Amino acid sequence: GQNIDQPTEMTATEGAIVQINCTYQTSGFNGLFWYQQHAGEAPTFLSYNVLDGLEEKGRFSSFLSRSKGYSYLLLKELQMKDSASYLCAVRDDLSGTYKYIFGTGTRLKVLA
Amino acid sequence: KAGVTQTPRYLIKTRGQQVTLSCSPISGHRSVSWYQQTPGQGLQFLFEYFSETQRNKGNFPGRFSGRQFSNSRSEMNVSTLELGDSALYLCASSLAPTNGREKLFFGSGTQLSVL
Repeated sequence: GQNIDQPTEMTATEGAIVQINCTYQTSGFNGLFWYQQHAGEAPTFLSYNVLDGLEEKGRFSSFLSRSKGYSYLLLKELQMKDSASYLCAVRDDLSGTYKYIFGTGTRLKVLA
Repeated sequence: KAGVTQTPRYLIKTRGQQVTLSCSPISGHRSVSWYQQTPGQGLQFLFEYFSETQRNKGNFPGRFSGRQFSNSRSEMNVSTLELGDSALYLCASSLAPTNGREKLFFGSGTQLSVL
């Protein structure tokens, strides 16, 4: 079946580092995405991994292990504006047509 | 460049009614997909359109339908509304059908409440 798991909520302190984990099970893996969604706003793209390893983009990094069905999003030097939901999404190749499968999201609260 | 525009922003309907939601993709984007977002279920895929053709469909009942026009604008329709249809409906656009590094650009959504 197709399934994505991520923690429901996390809390961290301003200036700290936080790691949001995502595990997935899909039939035809074709890439993993992370999106950020502030309350009442549209999800916005953060990162994309299709090969194993770490992708770094400023304060944000994303890691993928395809053999373990595992990814994480690492946020460094946390700022108050990082308080948001973080959505893990896998693109699944079903007989040549692609579909995104989203996790339920991790709500991150950054405390002063 | 304008982003993905969804109208209306908020909608209140009663059970049994029908509703039509509209989505205008980013200029030049030809692929539009729709998602239902609820607190417990996260984003659930409804359907994807490219060049006025439905390419893919999620596991929703036939009450949920959509279409895409020649200018890439898309509409989704929900008939015979049920209380469980209350959700945020998000539209996303991309240049081409979901493939490669192609990422989705989301609109702010239409918040539908069914009373």
